[in-house]
Amino acid sequence: QKEVEQDPGPLSVPEGAIVSLNCTYSNSAFQYFMWYRQYSRKGPELLMYTYSSGNKEDGRFTAQVDKSSKYISLFIRDSQPSDSATYLCAMSAGNTPLVFGKGTRLSVIA
Amino acid sequence: DVKVTQSSRYLVKRTGEKVFLECVQDMDHENMFWYRQDPGLGLRLIYFSYDVKMKEKGDIPEGYSVSREKKERFSLILESASTNQTSMYLCASSYEPNREEAFFGQGTRLTVV
Repeated sequence: QKEVEQDPGPLSVPEGAIVSLNCTYSNSAFQYFMWYRQYSRKGPELLMYTYSSGNKEDGRFTAQVDKSSKYISLFIRDSQPSDSATYLCAMSAGNTPLVFGKGTRLSVIA
Repeated sequence: DVKVTQSSRYLVKRTGEKVFLECVQDMDHENMFWYRQDPGLGLRLIYFSYDVKMKEKGDIPEGYSVSREKKERFSLILESASTNQTSMYLCASSYEPNREEAFFGQGTRLTVV
């Protein structure tokens, strides 16, 4: 079993839809959970950063962490064509480098 | 804004060449990382460094080495380039104590022919 599992998609949704992106993990030591967004031919950029369990909201984006289920989610409300990108989850135990999921490619159709 | 700059966006090299990929960050970050990104495989860690002149192997160090002589610069070296090293290479940096909050460069698309 890989440490971090992420459905690669692709995921295609109409503009305005609510998008749900998810990752599962196996290492119970993970405490820091990140979501990165990567546009085509660019480097990843940090979108959301959560420590331990709970929710974090930033504009149209909400990150959720459920450590009991080893499951994290990113929700995008009112999705826009500019949200079309690959979304990577990443996590760390705090004293080790990030471990990344393989990324989910999202297309938001106008 | 944090800036992580990779010296080249695109590179084409021949098999057997020694290749240097340079990365510079301007935010005095202690930690620097090199990843490669391949379709279907995601980001894989090659080497990382938590301090000047310090280096640690990541998950796939074979065929690579690194150099960190100055805090702001982290170089990835392909000792003898091979076609299976054709990939997107991404450099990242982070600061203490939030070492997990990594900032990435734009990437170098390396093609080995």
